[in-house]
Amino acid sequence: GAVVSQHPSWVICKSGTSVKIECRSLDFQATTMFWYRQFPKQSLMLMATSNEGSKATYEQGVEKDKFLINHASLTLSTLTVTSAHPEDSSFYICSAPGAGASEQYFGPGTRLTVT
Amino acid sequence: AQKITQTQPGMFVQEKEAVTLDCTYDTSDPSYGLFWYKQPSSGEMIFLIYQGSYDQQNATEGRYSLNFQKARKSANLVISASQLGDSAMYFCAMREGPGYNKLIFGAGTRLAVHP
Repeated sequence: GAVVSQHPSWVICKSGTSVKIECRSLDFQATTMFWYRQFPKQSLMLMATSNEGSKATYEQGVEKDKFLINHASLTLSTLTVTSAHPEDSSFYICSAPGAGASEQYFGPGTRLTVT
Repeated sequence: AQKITQTQPGMFVQEKEAVTLDCTYDTSDPSYGLFWYKQPSSGEMIFLIYQGSYDQQNATEGRYSLNFQKARKSANLVISASQLGDSAMYFCAMREGPGYNKLIFGAGTRLAVHP
């Protein structure tokens, strides 16, 4: 099946700094990608829909100025957590839909720890 | 209102036995898709099975089958012949409408398989 990669797989940053997470579709093009956040022992919560060539669509309650999303090409979407704080520590997962109705490919996730 | 409800926070099953994980959903869209994912401690999302709202037969994938009861809006996952490696979190998810739409996840069920 199709492959989605994320980089980095884990990152530790200091409070107040920004960190960028990349999501790449390796063998297919993705005009749409989704970003999820998962806190420990909780479910995946959709943060935003990343659209190639246009602005991202954010879910209610997600600060778009804090979580910057850029979908610059058909294979790359980036999530930048700006001015990170300890409460932003979480597992961030991206996904990209394939051509079929059942196709939804997830990246391996990025574990962010803000100290 | 919750779109996807998983009422079992945790389940135990004996190795080689079958287990059913419950999932109910709520949507007014006639076109939707239901997914089950397995998430081991590594965090990766492993696709298990998919059921489309218009599919006439219940989906099956190896040891996994989906008990789809449309009138009751339930999509329970049945795992037959449980194995120790099945111990993980299991998430039910729904996509409303056709196309490249986002997934909404349930709270998840942690399954523990005992020898």
